[in-house]
Amino acid sequence: EVQLVESGGGLVKPGGSLRLSCAASGFTFSSYSMNWVRQAPGKGLEWVSSISSSSSYIYYADSVKGRFTISRDNAKNSLYLQMNSLRAEDTAVYYCARYQISSWTYFDYWGQGTLVTVSS
Amino acid sequence: DIVMTQTPLSLSVTPGQPASISCKSSQSLLHSDGKTYLYWYLQKPGQSPQLLIYEVSSRFSGVPDRFSGSGSGTDFTLKISRVEAEDVGVYYCMQGIHLPQTFGQGTKLEIK
Repeated sequence: EVQLVESGGGLVKPGGSLRLSCAASGFTFSSYSMNWVRQAPGKGLEWVSSISSSSSYIYYADSVKGRFTISRDNAKNSLYLQMNSLRAEDTAVYYCARYQISSWTYFDYWGQGTLVTVSS
Repeated sequence: DIVMTQTPLSLSVTPGQPASISCKSSQSLLHSDGKTYLYWYLQKPGQSPQLLIYEVSSRFSGVPDRFSGSGSGTDFTLKISRVEAEDVGVYYCMQGIHLPQTFGQGTKLEIK
């Protein structure tokens, strides 16, 4: 069974930093490209960042470029999102999501999410 | 970025009755490989999104056959033949032909 479990969310002040983690199990993590997708309270879904299976290709939404860094450790079956210079508008539930294998077109499995609140 | 527009934004349906959600994209989602990169997700209350339909009309593993997708180019529809109580939640369409993937605003389905 595919499982994605996010952690690391919490309350942080504007300008602060936070590191999210996603632990993957039930599939060969090193074969899949992965993503972070977020959802502000009561709002819709927004793709944040993608990373290829070997970390060769990385993309960011314009809204987070230069502030967020996606990374992965295939030996630990883990995905990360380092978030710096956080703003109030970054407040959201952050989901780890798997790309369908060999594609960069859609997300077939999602974690349960971790809430990030940016507030003074 | 491709803009995805869903209608209606909410609907209330009696159990056993059909439901339909429309999704329009600002650009064609038909790729030169012949595939159309349109997807449907359901986010049940308090849960993460789950994939229902991929490439317009293919049901994902475990999705009941009362869910069906159709459409082409820029106009797409998700239909539920007979709504059940467990179908409540917010439905999102998403395009996957161009990065960044973008989602519709969501359609909230409630049971009467």
